Amino acid sequence: DAKTTQPPSMDCAEGRAANLPCNHSTISGNEYVYWYRQIHSQGPQYIIHGLKNNETNEMASLIITEDRKSSTLILPHATLRDTAVYYCIVIGGTSYGKLTFGQGTILTVHP
Amino acid sequence: NAGVTQTPKFQVLKTGQSMTLQCAQDMNHEYMSWYRQDPGMGLRLIHYSVGAGITDQGEVPNGYNVSRSTTEDFPLRLLSAAPSQTSVYFCASSYALAGGTSTDTQYFGPGTRLTVL
Repeated sequence: DAKTTQPPSMDCAEGRAANLPCNHSTISGNEYVYWYRQIHSQGPQYIIHGLKNNETNEMASLIITEDRKSSTLILPHATLRDTAVYYCIVIGGTSYGKLTFGQGTILTVHP
Repeated sequence: NAGVTQTPKFQVLKTGQSMTLQCAQDMNHEYMSWYRQDPGMGLRLIHYSVGAGITDQGEVPNGYNVSRSTTEDFPLRLLSAAPSQTSVYFCASSYALAGGTSTDTQYFGPGTRLTVL
């Protein structure tokens, strides 16, 4: 599976959009981009995933560049409860349920 | 559905003791995995299973055993606990997508916090 690069930390004001970038320049054609987050001391939580098209659900939006080498997770109206570590993970056709977690981005939402 | 459940929530062991961390899921998921998370670090895969009777090693398997006799349960055994195994342990499960090699969304349990003295 392709390696990902994320900034170690970001800040966001409550009520504003949080835009979390991820670089996955070695992604291959059958690999998906997944985003998970981990709120302090809890198990990771799935947020969203995509292959090539932009995706939106009730939690977030995922924007994938046309060349698929990078993506951005958007939390449209961040709240204090969105303070967490956000992991961008690329998963291919032979993942067999295995996830490889990097260091992720620590997002701090402040009042 | 209860989702993924883990017991116990907390455990303190002495060096050399053995124990089993329990993990169960009621979603009929084929895939189950165990991860450990050390302070300030990301999760690392210990062992995983693609179905009952089938297990394989992950990134950090030494000192741990697993078995999968049913679809629902995937216990993790510490054979002889060491202080280096002090960590938070997470169990996860997911469906296998068509073709059986990739996976959909993974669901994680609440974790077991283990301290080895």
